[in-house]
Amino acid sequence: DIQMTQSPSTLSASVGDRVTITCRASQSIGTSLAWYQQKPGKAPKVLIYKASILESGVPSRFSGSGSGTDFTLTISSLQPDDFATYYCQQYNTYSRTFGQGTRLEIK
Amino acid sequence: QVQVVESGGGVVQPGRSLRLSCSASGFDFSNYAMHWVRQAPGKGLEWVAVISNDGSNKYYADSVKGRFTITRDNSKNTLYLQMNSLRAEDTAVYYCARSRSTWKPQYFDYWGQGTLVTVSS
Repeated sequence: DIQMTQSPSTLSASVGDRVTITCRASQSIGTSLAWYQQKPGKAPKVLIYKASILESGVPSRFSGSGSGTDFTLTISSLQPDDFATYYCQQYNTYSRTFGQGTRLEIK
Repeated sequence: QVQVVESGGGVVQPGRSLRLSCSASGFDFSNYAMHWVRQAPGKGLEWVAVISNDGSNKYYADSVKGRFTITRDNSKNTLYLQMNSLRAEDTAVYYCARSRSTWKPQYFDYWGQGTLVTVSS
């Protein structure tokens, strides 16, 4: 199975900061990567798919990049609603795998 | 609008069985592959199983292979997960999620709110 490794595991930041989360795949997955946001007690919500395409309705402060094995999620200017846990997911194979998650905390 | 609603969770003893359901509405259920994803308390997301739009193809995580069975009834717009030989490590919130294809690997664009399964004696 393809392993997905996110970093950092926890990130402390302030409103207005620019933050970047990294996701690395154990083998090349092309651009078959999605990013999800999850708030406590809620289901995940897709933000980005195909590594860099913004899902409809997602604010433009979110962006994604990368291909092959290295990917990033960037939030250009943190808003209060953005403090949550973020997961990357590969969908290059039938067996999907998620990163372990990055918890974004208020500094 | 698109909705998926899970049900069937609860407390079950180790070794016993449980069947989860996921009722879909607001879209043509028979045109989409569907998945189960779980999340143990305080932990990350773990993909469990997928079924193609017509039920002819299925794939499972190694951790549940041989114990869990995914099925669907397109006439009832419902997805199922039959869970047998349950273990304490199966304790989790179970989500159903829609895939953006009939079978080809794609991301998940809609998720239910989840149903909690607790395996405990």
